[in-house]
Amino acid sequence: QKEVEQNSGPLSVPEGAIASLNCTYSDRGSQSFFWYRQYSGKSPELIMSIYSNGDKEDGRFTAQLNKASQYVSLLIRDSQPSDSATYLCAVVYSGAGSYQLTFGKGTKLSVIP
Amino acid sequence: GAGVSQTPSNKVTEKGKYVELRCDPISGHTALYWYRQSLGQGPEFLIYFQGTGAADDSGLPNDRFFAVRPEGSVSTLKIQRTERGDSAVYLCASSPSGTGELFFGEGSRLTVL
Repeated sequence: QKEVEQNSGPLSVPEGAIASLNCTYSDRGSQSFFWYRQYSGKSPELIMSIYSNGDKEDGRFTAQLNKASQYVSLLIRDSQPSDSATYLCAVVYSGAGSYQLTFGKGTKLSVIP
Repeated sequence: GAGVSQTPSNKVTEKGKYVELRCDPISGHTALYWYRQSLGQGPEFLIYFQGTGAADDSGLPNDRFFAVRPEGSVSTLKIQRTERGDSAVYLCASSPSGTGELFFGEGSRLTVL
């Protein structure tokens, strides 16, 4: 069973704080991991990808991957009200030539001014 | 166009009717995905094309759903004998290589009365 689990939230943080979003996945063989952001009424957009254990930083965003624990996280530093959105964790389950991307239900983040 | 284009943006139909949803991917993207998303849920995988062929159609819920991509570009998702439970936003995404970095269209909102 291909599962991606996220806390649905809502997660509320004050402006300027660090927001921490977490995700676990079921397939130990997964190799590719993504974070998508979805504003209300809009489509998902890719914000981070990570393929190796450890941290990957891009501006205010840091993705963290721990394959042994089957755990992915996203940290947003200096959170802004414009970061308020639903954050979707996604995992590629590759096999038999397919690169099916499976999404979690998403965590709704609210950044309070 | 620069992005993924989906038509129609909204479709209201009656139970039992046939519906077609169209997706025009980003030029040059070989991989094309269809997802559907219900309120409060993450995108649910339906089918993935690599070129003209369906590389993975394991997410299609039943034989009322069918998708084609005859020339490796535009794709059409076809739903026969629609049911109220088919109501959702149908998202199309394309990718240059099918690795999980997807570019989504704005979606087609289907309402079955």
